[in-house]
Amino acid sequence: AQKVTQAQTEISVVEKEDVTLDCVYETRDTTYYLFWYKQPPSGELVFLIRRNSFDEQNEISGRYSWNFQKSTSSFNFTITASQVVDSAVYFCALRLGGTASKLTFGTGTRLQVTL
Amino acid sequence: NAGVTQTPKFQVLKTGQSMTLQCAQDMNHNSMYWYRQDPGMGLRLIYYSASEGTTDKGEVPNGYNVSRLNKREFSLRLESAAPSQTSVYFCASSEVFGSSGNTIYFGEGSWLTVV
Repeated sequence: AQKVTQAQTEISVVEKEDVTLDCVYETRDTTYYLFWYKQPPSGELVFLIRRNSFDEQNEISGRYSWNFQKSTSSFNFTITASQVVDSAVYFCALRLGGTASKLTFGTGTRLQVTL
Repeated sequence: NAGVTQTPKFQVLKTGQSMTLQCAQDMNHNSMYWYRQDPGMGLRLIYYSASEGTTDKGEVPNGYNVSRLNKREFSLRLESAAPSQTSVYFCASSEVFGSSGNTIYFGEGSWLTVV
């Protein structure tokens, strides 16, 4: 069975600080997909990124970057120069390959960015 | 872009009442899902439908039934609501192939309170 662990329950930073959200996953499958979702205070789940198990290339999108390391089973998310609008709960999730396989979520990390 | 639309957004039920949460997606996805979100537990899969005409149980199916009405619509029914079913419910959909393959997209959530 697969598992996703987000050990950081809550993080508080001051605006413009960099912050890294940790995600560790467990699976015995060789084909899988990793995701990050953002849940702002309004409650919707916003898809941020998908990574497949065959692609360990790190990705940068504006102030967001993701570091995928299969050797440590980690898929960490860094926000550079954080802003108040980044305040949200962030979920890491894992999905195995195959039709309609379920998405297993971590318990989420609440990020609070203050002025 | 409507994406995944679910109704109602808010509902208060009395214990023992029944209700149906409606979900529709306009992305022509084959797979659809119902998740519930509870504090500190991330999201847990209730039921999913790999394709039109099929449904399967997820992690927490007890007390729920689903209907995949057609490719677009997937409803969740609470036959006899219990306070333990107070939660936020998310409908989602996905497709295996294409540029967005294996990414699960979520609706905006339905806040259900059972008193």
